[in-house]
Amino acid sequence: KAGVTQTPRYLIKTRGQQVTLSCSPISGHRSVSWYQQTPGQGLQFLFEYFSETQRNKGNFPGRFSGRQFSNSRSEMNVSTLELGDSALYLCASSLELNRLPPNTGELFFGEGSRLTVL
Amino acid sequence: AQTVTQSQPEMSVQEAETVTLSCTYDTSESDYYLFWYKQPPSRQMILVIRQEAYKQQNATENRFSVNFQKAAKSFSLKISDSQLGDAAMYFCAYSNYQLIWGAGTKLIIKP
Repeated sequence: KAGVTQTPRYLIKTRGQQVTLSCSPISGHRSVSWYQQTPGQGLQFLFEYFSETQRNKGNFPGRFSGRQFSNSRSEMNVSTLELGDSALYLCASSLELNRLPPNTGELFFGEGSRLTVL
Repeated sequence: AQTVTQSQPEMSVQEAETVTLSCTYDTSESDYYLFWYKQPPSRQMILVIRQEAYKQQNATENRFSVNFQKAAKSFSLKISDSQLGDAAMYFCAYSNYQLIWGAGTKLIIKP
């Protein structure tokens, strides 16, 4: 079974540009969540999608947006890039949105997209 | 609001010895999950171990075990017979619908 696939793996942008990152979840997984990981702030939750609907959202400005398609693939977009947006963006998929038992609650992560903003 | 605290930014242990990583959390919920995830350098995050709050028995996965103290809201990870491949960032996470993450502990294995 293929794992979570994120593209691109690395990218460099300049301030003011926008970027779109893609995530293909494990086949059959309906929930996709996105995280921003930086050395200073750790792992921060961006948003989660389930059945094409945003179900949860973290505390990020409106420049960060996302969507999920009918095949569960997800994209996130960051507009008007700032230097502080440089980070590793992680996507994770899971079977269900509900992480309480009897669901396992386990997330399966991709390798991430490393964004550098110059 | 739920919070997860990992008070050890970095830990080091001699190969083959035992190390314990600490995690505390705050919640008013009675039913939830707790997780330890491992993120090796430049590799993807993977689940190490999971604990359901309603289970009193501590979870164990081979060399990895937890000490779950529900009343104290403590969830520590013990790694026995440490191996070089255990070197990674370890994240503690709490889940009641949404996952709340700790800041992580960097584990260094000394050969």
